[in-house]
Amino acid sequence: KAGVTQTPRYLIKTRGQQVTLSCSPISGHRSVSWYQQTPGQGLQFLFEYFSETQRNKGNFPGRFSGRQFSNSRSEMNVSTLELGDSALYLCASSLVSPGLAGQETQYFGPGTRLLVL
Amino acid sequence: GDSVTQMEGPVTLSEEAFLTINCTYTATGYPSLFWYVQYPGEGLQLLLKATKADDKGSNKGFEATYRKETTSFHLEKGSVQVSDSAVYFCALSASTPLVFGKGTRLSVIA
Repeated sequence: KAGVTQTPRYLIKTRGQQVTLSCSPISGHRSVSWYQQTPGQGLQFLFEYFSETQRNKGNFPGRFSGRQFSNSRSEMNVSTLELGDSALYLCASSLVSPGLAGQETQYFGPGTRLLVL
Repeated sequence: GDSVTQMEGPVTLSEEAFLTINCTYTATGYPSLFWYVQYPGEGLQLLLKATKADDKGSNKGFEATYRKETTSFHLEKGSVQVSDSAVYFCALSASTPLVFGKGTRLSVIA
């Protein structure tokens, strides 16, 4: 079974631009979560989608948004990019929502490395 | 809120040495506990997990036991290899998505 895939793997943008990242979960998984990883803040939760509905949201500004499609694929969008948005963005999928079942294991993709200049 | 504290690195060991990476947590309810590993330039890979008190997770020679009385989930391996060099993250999941520790970088030298 194929793992979680993320596209693109690398991205360079300039301040003020917007960016869209894509995540395809493991086949059959209906929950997708997004995390931001930076050297200073570590791994921080952005949001989680389950069955096309946002179930949970982390403490990020409204410039960060996401959505999930009927085939469980997910996208996240960052508008008006800032230098501090440079990070590795990780997507994780699970069968059901971790909010419904804390034992649910999340499987991660390789990430998209975003550099904002 | 929920939180995870793990020992700060970096940790440098010689091949075949014994490894312990400490992890303690604070959580309401009954969380599941995880160890993830991140190799250079890659995403996170699940290493092992435990879902209730006294459970022992194990994989690839690594072990960790869910200790509710000490709120700990320390990672151990009896004999490390150069290929174990990576960053290790302890994490918990209760009623919310994963909460991670800051990670411990392990370097194993031949």
